[in-house]
Amino acid sequence: AQTVTQSQPEMSVQEAETVTLSCTYDTSENNYYLFWYKQPPSRQMILVIRQEAYKQQNATENRFSVNFQKAAKSFSLKISDSQLGDTAMYFCAFMEYGNKLVFGAGTILRVKS
Amino acid sequence: NAGVTQTPKFQVLKTGQSMTLQCAQDMNHEYMSWYRQDPGMGLRLIHYSVGAGITDQGEVPNGYNVSRSTTEDFPLRLLSAAPSQTSVYFCASSPPGRDYNEQFFGPGTRLTVL
Repeated sequence: AQTVTQSQPEMSVQEAETVTLSCTYDTSENNYYLFWYKQPPSRQMILVIRQEAYKQQNATENRFSVNFQKAAKSFSLKISDSQLGDTAMYFCAFMEYGNKLVFGAGTILRVKS
Repeated sequence: NAGVTQTPKFQVLKTGQSMTLQCAQDMNHEYMSWYRQDPGMGLRLIHYSVGAGITDQGEVPNGYNVSRSTTEDFPLRLLSAAPSQTSVYFCASSPPGRDYNEQFFGPGTRLTVL
């Protein structure tokens, strides 16, 4: 079974600085998707960014980018120019064939002013 | 479009009571699923459905039943609630046509079983 590990339960960063959240996963599949979801205090799950395993180029969405290392099974999220609104729980997730998601335990990110 | 809706937002049950968590989507998505979120464990898949009339078990199905009589609705039933089912429950849906698709989540239901 696939597993997803987020080794940082909590992190903090100063406003306007850069922070990287770590994620590793274990799978024997060759084709899959990886996602980062943001969960603010409202509890809503918001898709931040996604990466297709067959694409070598790292995904980027505005201030959010990933470092995808397929051989190392690593998928970290970099947030640049951190804003107070980035304060949230962040989940790394692996998508199996057939749209089933496997989530990590999450990392609480606090952005300080 | 309202997206994925869930009712109720909050619910308190006593041990042994039954209830149904409602989930509906108006995006004509074929794939729907239920997750539970517990502290320190992320979200875990309970049940899922690839279309009307078809359901299957996820990682933690025990204590829960589902059915899918229409494309729009995917209710989750707790037949005899237990304190271990205290959790936040999320419904999600995905559009048809691909095997790997972004999932759209509902706002969640916080359930407490006393």
